[in-house]
Amino acid sequence: QQQVKQSPQSLIVQKGGISIINCAYENTAFDYFPWYQQFPGKGPALLIAIRPDVSEKKEGRFTISFNKSAKQFSLHIMDSQPGDSATYFCAASKTGGYNKLIFGAGTRLAVHP
Amino acid sequence: NAGVTQTPKFRVLKTGQSMTLLCAQDMNHEYMYWYRQDPGMGLRLIHYSVGEGTTAKGEVPDGYNVSRLKKQNFLLGLESAAPSQTSVYFCASSRQGADGYTFGSGTRLTVV
Repeated sequence: QQQVKQSPQSLIVQKGGISIINCAYENTAFDYFPWYQQFPGKGPALLIAIRPDVSEKKEGRFTISFNKSAKQFSLHIMDSQPGDSATYFCAASKTGGYNKLIFGAGTRLAVHP
Repeated sequence: NAGVTQTPKFRVLKTGQSMTLLCAQDMNHEYMYWYRQDPGMGLRLIHYSVGEGTTAKGEVPDGYNVSRLKKQNFLLGLESAAPSQTSVYFCASSRQGADGYTFGSGTRLTVV
């Protein structure tokens, strides 16, 4: 049972464009939604995270948009750069207790110069 | 400040062989996790630990065992390797729960 569905599987964007990756979740108890960035040969690293008390969070060129009623959240990368080429994972969890992150399947982003 | 260190980085096993993957963290984190990463399937949780001496099953625990005898170390064992266990294995740790996982750089395991 896939609790976090991520799309698209792969994405090609031109330098300077906007990259958009979408995720949908099923468990309404989830209240923590991070995005992780993974470069080839490396482990994933936390990029940005949001909690459902806000609808948007921005850090530099990276923005998370959150729609609680639709149970969806998305990552927007503005002014995409070749250095942003990586695999991106969305994840979800409910805080408190012994809770673990449930990851999406990942999106491989390629930003062409 | 090494963070999370995984050894070995690469390994090739024959079907039926056993091995242990070692994860060590120097951040005094309570929680540690083992995930496997397969193409198109993201990261799936194998086992996790919420403190020294504790272990619990994740999403895909079959064929694996774990131990957390020391707070800083989390071992993943394969008793009888199968080709289906060919994967990249990641260890992660966190101070508490899901916030702020720190991942290791992974172990690429091939079972032939």
